[in-house]
Amino acid sequence: GAGVSQSPRYKVAKRGQDVALRCDPISGHVSLFWYQQALGQGPEFLTYFQNEAQLDKSGLPSDRFFAERPEGSVSTLKIQRTQQEDSAVYLCASSLQGIWTEAFFGQGTRLTVV
Amino acid sequence: AQKVTQAQTEISVVEKEDVTLDCVYETRDTTYYLFWYKQPPSGELVFLIRRNSFDEQNEISGRYSWNFQKSTSSFNFTITASQVVDSAVYFCALSANNLFFGTGTRLTVIP
Repeated sequence: GAGVSQSPRYKVAKRGQDVALRCDPISGHVSLFWYQQALGQGPEFLTYFQNEAQLDKSGLPSDRFFAERPEGSVSTLKIQRTQQEDSAVYLCASSLQGIWTEAFFGQGTRLTVV
Repeated sequence: AQKVTQAQTEISVVEKEDVTLDCVYETRDTTYYLFWYKQPPSGELVFLIRRNSFDEQNEISGRYSWNFQKSTSSFNFTITASQVVDSAVYFCALSANNLFFGTGTRLTVIP
């Protein structure tokens, strides 16, 4: 596709449930980012991939959060045993090369934990 | 450590007024990039501009202009003759060892 695609757009999870959020970056983009955006806040960095290598995961808030990009293209953000504070919009972005080039964002996945 | 401060949480202007959105950043890196993104109500962040730390030339693109001053660690964004379609949340971002966003400024342009 022409842009970054995220699925699902909306997800409602019961507390304690595991969820998986998918990101399809722009074809050929080497770098991929995940951000968490709470209501009324700026995007908070979670993790960053260069191809399949996870170069920075310092923003993942706990060991319940896990991200992968096994073939250097599609990425999945998994949240285990979801809690209410995990409710947020999860944004994925890709860029042609690294953190210094323009990042293109998807529309996000709105996660609501009830 | 990286930090981006957007002190203006919300701004309202009447259509056709000029408005400046402030951005102050902190980084110890000598090489970095600064960005502005727009987030309309649809939610998708849209890239507006990128500047590197070695290029302090101001830039103008239509009604948009950017003023980068390393001496004050600021990268301010001005919209001239604002329009209702400019209503959105605007984020300033800094890229040194990762891409780090400020908390955003919500701009409302009143017709």
